Amino acid sequence: TQLLEQSPQFLSIQEGENLTVYCNSSSVFSSLQWYRQEPGEGPVLLVTVVTGGEVKKLKRLTFQFGDARKDSSLHITAAQTGDTGLYLCAGNAGGTSYGKLTFGQGTILTVHP
Amino acid sequence: NAGVTQTPKFQVLKTGQSMTLQCAQDMNHEYMSWYRQDPGMGLRLIHYSVGAGITDQGEVPNGYNVSRSTTEDFPLRLLSAAPSQTSVYFCASRRQGTETQYFGPGTRLLVL
Repeated sequence: TQLLEQSPQFLSIQEGENLTVYCNSSSVFSSLQWYRQEPGEGPVLLVTVVTGGEVKKLKRLTFQFGDARKDSSLHITAAQTGDTGLYLCAGNAGGTSYGKLTFGQGTILTVHP
Repeated sequence: NAGVTQTPKFQVLKTGQSMTLQCAQDMNHEYMSWYRQDPGMGLRLIHYSVGAGITDQGEVPNGYNVSRSTTEDFPLRLLSAAPSQTSVYFCASRRQGTETQYFGPGTRLLVL
């Protein structure tokens, strides 16, 4: 069973601060996704990274896939209160397991004004 | 498009009762999945389907049944509810060959 360890589990910061969320595994993934989930709603896909070493930017969010495709990070610059939510990473093992996502435990981010 | 819809939004069951969680999508997606979300454990895959008539088990299938008679619908059946099945259940769909998975709003289930 592939596992994804996400850290930290909780993050409470002030508006304007920077933060990084990590997603680590001992397994290789063909791709890795980051989701954001609001209370009472389903997760919404933010980005998919596919290539080892890949960096993708989405406004103030920067996503990186590790060279060995075992880990990923999400960096938020100058956090805003609207960034508050649950952030989830999810790995796709590929091959015969393609489409069966393994999720990390999630990071609950609270940005205070 | 309504996207992925789930009913009911909330449900309270007694131990031993059965029920069906409904999931429908109007995007003609081939892939559909059921997940459960528990505090501190992220989402765990229960069952999934790669097309009508084809289903397979995920990580935590025990106590749940699924069927896929049409492309649009993917119901999840709890045969005999247990308190351990108290959770939030999400249905998701994805077009074959793409990475983007669309989630429904979830069903919150409490088993007493």
